[in-house]
Amino acid sequence: DGGITQSPKYLFRKEGQNVTLSCEQNLNHDAMYWYRQDPGQGLRLIYYSQIVNDFQKGDIAEGYSVSREKKESFPLTVTSAQKNPTAFYLCASSMGDRNMKTQYFGPGTRLLVL
Amino acid sequence: QKEVEQDPGPLSVPEGAIVSLNCTYSNSAFQYFMWYRQYSRKGPELLMYTYSSGNKEDGRFTAQVDKSSKYISLFIRDSQPSDSATYLCAMSEGTSYDKVIFGPGTSLSVIP
Repeated sequence: DGGITQSPKYLFRKEGQNVTLSCEQNLNHDAMYWYRQDPGQGLRLIYYSQIVNDFQKGDIAEGYSVSREKKESFPLTVTSAQKNPTAFYLCASSMGDRNMKTQYFGPGTRLLVL
Repeated sequence: QKEVEQDPGPLSVPEGAIVSLNCTYSNSAFQYFMWYRQYSRKGPELLMYTYSSGNKEDGRFTAQVDKSSKYISLFIRDSQPSDSATYLCAMSEGTSYDKVIFGPGTSLSVIP
């Protein structure tokens, strides 16, 4: 089955702790994205990567970090500097082609603060 | 003014009704328009994808784009309880890095 997987489904963070959310895709997509979803708000872009070993900040990158060492994987770390991390985190990928702007999403990770 | 606006609802309709979901936007450079469906606690799934103005039909779903009015719509015919979800509109300019802007979503309930 081709698709995007995210793990864990639920994640609990303690004060001062860094946590890492996993995102893997087997769609052979070049571009990958991380979004944050809060109630009543549209998806907000945290980071994106168009190619391996390269990534760019989105609109709300503060308190987050990413890496893109493999085409298939784009993990997101929520650092202790992110003061309001409780949200639903969505990973997406796209072909990255100029004519194919559609993004495909994973099932999401819900992050809660203890 | 937000770049993309969408009535959050909730919208409640009886089974079999025609549903109209709408978004307005301010950036006239948007050329690509998408509709996503998101069930509770799940990731969004792509429903419809259109380029520029016009209509596109897929089964019970029709997407309409009116670039002159900066207005897009999704129509659902013969709505079913399984259509109960949040519908997100999304759009992009189609430049070399394609930042997609999402609306906040409209919550739809189809009552049997």
